[in-house]
Amino acid sequence: DAGVIQSPRHEVTEMGQEVTLRCKPISGHDYLFWYRQTMMRGLELLIYFNNNVPIDDSGMPEDRFSAKMPNASFSTLKIQPSEPRDSAVYFCASGGGSGNQPQHFGDGTRLSIL
Amino acid sequence: AQSVTQLDSQVPVFEEAPVELRCNYSSSVSVYLFWYVQYPNQGLQLLLKYLSGSTLVKGINGFEAEFNKSQTSFHLRKPSVHISDTAEYFCVVGATSGTYKYIFGTGTRLKVLA
Repeated sequence: DAGVIQSPRHEVTEMGQEVTLRCKPISGHDYLFWYRQTMMRGLELLIYFNNNVPIDDSGMPEDRFSAKMPNASFSTLKIQPSEPRDSAVYFCASGGGSGNQPQHFGDGTRLSIL
Repeated sequence: AQSVTQLDSQVPVFEEAPVELRCNYSSSVSVYLFWYVQYPNQGLQLLLKYLSGSTLVKGINGFEAEFNKSQTSFHLRKPSVHISDTAEYFCVVGATSGTYKYIFGTGTRLKVLA
């Protein structure tokens, strides 16, 4: 049973460039979450989707961040333009049904903006 | 609203000794409780969950946790730790209705010493 798959695992790019992070949730899960993890702020929820529809994007830091879920098996998180303070590990998680179904996390994308 | 407090940021312990990682929560509604583990350069993996019923919950890798409603605690325990248990552990609260959002504790770094 494949877990949540994220790509790339590592991304190093220069300030001002566009960054796209990708996520494939577990098949059958109808919730998808994007998190950011930093030493200073810990784990932060950026946005989550239910049945491909964004439900809560209150954690998205600013307009430079956008997320889409065009279908049940794919989501992207885009940063444009990127800044050094965006450097972090970004996790995607998926879950099924309701709150008693645990969220399953991918291995994350380690993003470094120079 | 919910909140989670992990009382110890770091816990060093010798191999084969017992360990307890403490977690307290507050919530105005009933909650689900989870412990996740994060090994270096990996995503979060579910250790165990409390949804309802028995207050003693057993998880993977020999871990267990006890839900104490009167003390609003959900402490994680293991009777004998191994070097391989060195990781960061997160206590997580989720509401039983209304939202699928998790509230994460700040994490406890468990370091098992030889």
